Amino acid sequence: NAGVTQTPKFQVLKTGQSMTLQCAQDMNHNSMYWYRQDPGMGLRLIYYSASEGTTDKGEVPNGYNVSRLNKREFSLRLESAAPSQTSVYFCASSERNTEAFFGQGTRLTVV
Amino acid sequence: DQQVKQNSPSLSVQEGRISILNCDYTNSMFDYFLWYKKYPAEGPTFLISISSIKDKNEDGRFTVFLNKSAKHLSLHIVPSQPGDSAVYFCAATESYNTDKLIFGTGTRLQVFP
Repeated sequence: NAGVTQTPKFQVLKTGQSMTLQCAQDMNHNSMYWYRQDPGMGLRLIYYSASEGTTDKGEVPNGYNVSRLNKREFSLRLESAAPSQTSVYFCASSERNTEAFFGQGTRLTVV
Repeated sequence: DQQVKQNSPSLSVQEGRISILNCDYTNSMFDYFLWYKKYPAEGPTFLISISSIKDKNEDGRFTVFLNKSAKHLSLHIVPSQPGDSAVYFCAATESYNTDKLIFGTGTRLQVFP
């Protein structure tokens, strides 16, 4: 069972560069999420998509864009990376009002 | 302002004893609470949940207690095993809406032999 798959697992960017984090789930879930985890901050929601074709801002959306390409895929884009975006990023999916399943994470460093 | 707080960053427990992880929240509208467990270099995995209509939920060695008046929940692990060593996050939401989970900062549990 693949569950939630994120790519890449590691990435180093220079300030100002752009990149897209990819996420795919094979559980036929309607909801998908992007979180970031920082030391001492827990997990914070960046964006979520409650269904195909819809996206909404979470707690910390600034500097990010998302695309819900289809029911399976939800990507996160950094248009102009900043050192403050150095973090571990997790994608997750769930059925409505049930627990979320998380990917293994992407460790991003912006220098 | 942190709506979900885990005030103990770490906890060390001997194998076979009870581990108690605590979580406090400030928003009285929260009605659904979840615990996640996270190993290094892996994503969080769901452990157990509780709704506000209950004060206790058990699943094997794991029990979650909810004290609504104190806005406090705790996760008990009995008996603790070395494989339980991980970071534990509590999370909460309003109206059972898991699209908007608020996570605590996590507690690192170490279970030693």
